[in-house]
Amino acid sequence: GEDVEQSLFLSVREGDSSVINCTYTDSSSTYLYWYKQEPGAGLQLLTYIFSNMDMKQDQRLTVLLNKKDKHLSLRIADTQTGDSAIYFCAEVRSGFQKLVFGTGTRLLVSP
Amino acid sequence: NAGVTQTPKFRVLKTGQSMTLLCAQDMNHEYMYWYRQDPGMGLRLIHYSVGEGTTAKGEVPDGYNVSRLKKQNFLLGLESAAPSQTSVYFCASSSPTSAHNEQFFGPGTRLTVL
Repeated sequence: GEDVEQSLFLSVREGDSSVINCTYTDSSSTYLYWYKQEPGAGLQLLTYIFSNMDMKQDQRLTVLLNKKDKHLSLRIADTQTGDSAIYFCAEVRSGFQKLVFGTGTRLLVSP
Repeated sequence: NAGVTQTPKFRVLKTGQSMTLLCAQDMNHEYMYWYRQDPGMGLRLIHYSVGEGTTAKGEVPDGYNVSRLKKQNFLLGLESAAPSQTSVYFCASSSPTSAHNEQFFGPGTRLTVL
């Protein structure tokens, strides 16, 4: 299909790891992104991965990319209550900087 | 450096009324975008602009018009609002020379059409 898909909800306890998954559609996407949206705010770029990479690590964040299955994941280590937010994956559709967003995963971190 | 700003933050309209949402950016970005965010549907692109004086349709353009008379501003207009246009609207901007095509988002405008 044409949609970028994510599960809608994830609940974890503080200190656990969180894994948010995304299935994208365009195999020619040069970059794939994870954006974070805190309550009442706009989206902020959290991290990104170039399409020729399998993994990218940035402090507590690990991004895994499986191009064969068009699967992207975001792992947050030692999840904190401040990580509670909606996380969107996004792909660049061919030809232009147009982003196509997933439906968003709401992460709830409980103490 | 304010980044991307949007006005107003909230608005309630009656069906058939018109309004204009203003987006401004101070990063000298060429590209600007308007999205709408609805529950369970992520963000969908309404219109976008690749430079002053140019606009193009996105995924869901019907019922909206846009103008980019100045590089720093991107206006979204609703000529005759409908309840289906109740949503949160986000503006974003980006530079074609950015290393990884990052888009910068405004804080959003929450619009309710009664």
